[in-house]
Amino acid sequence: AQRVTQPEKLLSVFKGAPVELKCNYSYSGSPELFWYVQYSRQRLQLLLRHISRESIKGFTADLNKGETSFHLKKPFAQEEDSAMYYCALRVQGAQKLVFGQGTRLTINP
Amino acid sequence: EAGVAQSPRYKIIEKRQSVAFWCNPISGHATLYWYQQILGQGPKLLIQFQNNGVVDDSQLPKDRFSAERLKGVDSTLKIQPAKLEDSAVYLCASSPHVGRENIQYFGAGTRLSVL
Repeated sequence: AQRVTQPEKLLSVFKGAPVELKCNYSYSGSPELFWYVQYSRQRLQLLLRHISRESIKGFTADLNKGETSFHLKKPFAQEEDSAMYYCALRVQGAQKLVFGQGTRLTINP
Repeated sequence: EAGVAQSPRYKIIEKRQSVAFWCNPISGHATLYWYQQILGQGPKLLIQFQNNGVVDDSQLPKDRFSAERLKGVDSTLKIQPAKLEDSAVYLCASSPHVGRENIQYFGAGTRLSVL
């Protein structure tokens, strides 16, 4: 079965410091990976996806099939990055998303 | 464009009661999803519709949960009878079409508390 693991429930860093949110997945096929974000009092929204290979709000994520990882990184954290972050997997041929348990990121001033 | 609409935002019921949630997807979106998010966990898919047909309901507890999407637009999710473990946020999402560009857009959710 497909599984997404986010090992850190909570992550706290200082403003200006680098941040990395870890995501590992378990899937034997060709996955599509996503990062979704939920800011305080807002709905869940897409942050980025691996097929776009783009940087959104300074965040990047690289799919590493050898390590089955899709870690989210930002070189200099900002206070507005504080939110819940969910890594998600879409299996080949399907539309549904399998989510990790989420990481609450707090950026301290 | 208007987002995915859900109602009610909050619902408190006692166990063994019934409850229904409503979702209006983004106009033109063919695919609709219902997710259950228990506190401290990520969303888990309950059921997926493509127009008015069910694509995946493998994780829907069919003895108590039911969902329909009449006319391929709005959808309702019902729980009857509710159990304490059904306390969660119920998220509705929609996406425009099938394929690699298929992005899901989420509603604000309905927070259910079963006492």
